Amino acid sequence: DIQMTQSPSSLSASVGDRVTITCQASQDISNYLNWYQQKPGKAPKVLIYDASNLQTGVPLRFSGSGSGTHFTFTISSLQPEDVATYYCQQYEDLVSFGGGTTVAIK
Amino acid sequence: EVQLVESGGGLVKPGGSLRLSCAASGFTFSSYSFNWVRQAPGKGLEWISSISPSGTFIDYADSLRGRFSISRDDAKNSLYLQMHSLGAEDTAVYYCARDWGAARPQGVDYWGQGTLVTVSS
Repeated sequence: DIQMTQSPSSLSASVGDRVTITCQASQDISNYLNWYQQKPGKAPKVLIYDASNLQTGVPLRFSGSGSGTHFTFTISSLQPEDVATYYCQQYEDLVSFGGGTTVAIK
Repeated sequence: EVQLVESGGGLVKPGGSLRLSCAASGFTFSSYSFNWVRQAPGKGLEWISSISPSGTFIDYADSLRGRFSISRDDAKNSLYLQMHSLGAEDTAVYYCARDWGAARPQGVDYWGQGTLVTVSS
């Protein structure tokens, strides 16, 4: 099984701040990684696919990078509506999710 | 409009079985792969299983293989998850999720609203 380790597990930042979340894979997954946003009480929504591609309709302040075992998700300017939990997900070998990062406004 | 509507959740006793259904509409069901993903209360997402078009490829999370079984009925535009030997650790919201992968799972572009399964005596 491929383990996905996200950090931090939670963070608090001010509106307008740059926010960065990392995801570490237990083995090389190339760029087979997606990022999801889940707001309370809602189903997740894909933001980034194949590590760095922005899903249609997703604001440009969201971005992703990385390959192999180390990946980064960034919100360039945090907005109030970005309060949510974010998950990485690999699909190199079956599917597994990271533990999630909860983003709050300071 | 793509819609995925889960049903079949509810309260089940430990050791019991349950069958979840997912009714799909708004797209050509037979052309897509699907996943079941669950989320225990206050916890993260856990992938359970996926099935490709025509059921050619079926995959399960290692920890759940043998107790859970995924299937589809393209004539009814429906996805199913049969669950056996349920325990408290299976208490979760279960999501039906459409995958954009042609064969093996890749990623989810549409999710249902989820159905809650509670395992308790």
